[in-house]
Amino acid sequence: GAVVSQHPSRVICKSGTSVKIECRSLDFQATTMFWYRQFPKQSLMLMATSNEGSKATYEQGVEKDKFLINHASLTLSTLTVTSAHPEDSSFYICSARDGAGAGYGYTFGSGTRLTVV
Amino acid sequence: SQQGEEDPQALSIQEGENATMNCSYKTSINNLQWYRQNSGRGLVHLILIRSNEREKHSGRLRVTLDTSKKSSSLLITASRAADTASYFCATASGYSTLTFGKGTMLLVSP
Repeated sequence: GAVVSQHPSRVICKSGTSVKIECRSLDFQATTMFWYRQFPKQSLMLMATSNEGSKATYEQGVEKDKFLINHASLTLSTLTVTSAHPEDSSFYICSARDGAGAGYGYTFGSGTRLTVV
Repeated sequence: SQQGEEDPQALSIQEGENATMNCSYKTSINNLQWYRQNSGRGLVHLILIRSNEREKHSGRLRVTLDTSKKSSSLLITASRAADTASYFCATASGYSTLTFGKGTMLLVSP
């Protein structure tokens, strides 16, 4: 089946630094990828929709200058958390669809646990 | 934004018992999907049911959808300790984004 690879799985960074998270579709092309954020024991909140070759679409309340998304190819989207602060500590998950139409599910990466100290 | 509400929020059962989780949503949908998440891991797609379907089976999983009540249920039969995880329903209104419910934490004790 479809596989989405997400790296790194865990990252600890100092406050004020930037962190890049990669999301790759390994065996399919994904024109659209999605980035979610999940706080402990809570559900996934969509942050932005990443579109290959164009600007990402951000959800209301998500700072586009803080969470930079680049979708430069059909198999790679990156999320960069800029000037990270402790409140950015969270679990970030990407996903992609491996087909079009209402009958297709989504494949998720394994997530990235970001800790800002 | 979230539109799904799962209940119960937490469910604790013994191995061999059945586990039923419910999900309600607010807007019209194209399909509804159920996902499983082990602690600290990504999500695994379990099953998708389209808006014109009422019931679907996959192994020990049975999903129902009632669009008139805007609700769905996930039944896991003959549960195993390995089924311990959080389960989320997610709705797709268009052909892009998913909206997740708050999830049910299932604990299956040996």
